[in-house]
Amino acid sequence: KAGVTQTPRYLIKTRGQQVTLSCSPISGHRSVSWYQQTPGQGLQFLFEYFSETQRNKGNFPGRFSGRQFSNSRSEMNVSTLELGDSALYLCASSPGQNRQETQYFGPGTRLLVL
Amino acid sequence: GIQVEQSPPDLILQEGANSTLRCNFSDSVNNLQWFHQNPWGQLINLFYIPSGTKQNGRLSATTVATERYSLLYISSSQTTDSGVYFCAVHDRGSTLGRLYFGRGTQLTVWP
Repeated sequence: KAGVTQTPRYLIKTRGQQVTLSCSPISGHRSVSWYQQTPGQGLQFLFEYFSETQRNKGNFPGRFSGRQFSNSRSEMNVSTLELGDSALYLCASSPGQNRQETQYFGPGTRLLVL
Repeated sequence: GIQVEQSPPDLILQEGANSTLRCNFSDSVNNLQWFHQNPWGQLINLFYIPSGTKQNGRLSATTVATERYSLLYISSSQTTDSGVYFCAVHDRGSTLGRLYFGRGTQLTVWP
C-alpha cells in the first residue's frame, strides 16, 4: 500500500497570506490527524477528522481550520499567516474504527512564513 | 493532558555502541508508539507497544504500563540510526485519537 502523502512538501509565504495543505491517507484509512512541529513547542495536535467530521481539536486559534472529503483526503488551511506559523506540518492516518490505534505519518509540509 | 517526558534529550555514540532511550508518561495510556524522525522530517513507525516487549532487528522496546514508562533499546548503533526518536501516547482516560508526544531524544552516531 502507498503511504500517507502530503503536498506540497515545501512552501514559502509572506505574513498575512493564507495557505492550504493537503493530505492523502493510506488507502482504506478513514481518520486523518494533523500536527504542527516547531523547535520551541515540539509536536502539537491540531485536529482530527473522521468520515468528513472533525471529532477532535487541539488548542490552536481559529485561523487554523481543516476539512475532510468523502474520499478521506484532508486539507488544512491557515489564514492570515504569522511568522510563528513557520513549522513542519505533519498529517497522520489510521483506519479509524478504533480511535486509539496506530497512526502512520506522512513526510510533512515545511512552511516558511516571511 | 497527559505529560510525556523523554530522556536523555541528546545522545552521542560511536558506531557499534548500544543505547537505551526512556519515555515516562504521567497517566494510564492505551497506546504507546515509538517513532524515528528522519532528516527530512518524516516520522517512521518503530513500535506500537502499549505493554510488553517487542523486537525488530537491532531495535527492541519494552513498556511497563503499570509503572508508566517505556524503553527503546538500540544495539550495535549505525550512522543511519541518527535522528530524533519520539514516543507518543494516547490518553487512556479519553476516547479521542489525539497523540501526546514527548520532546524527543536526538541521537547522533559517529562512524
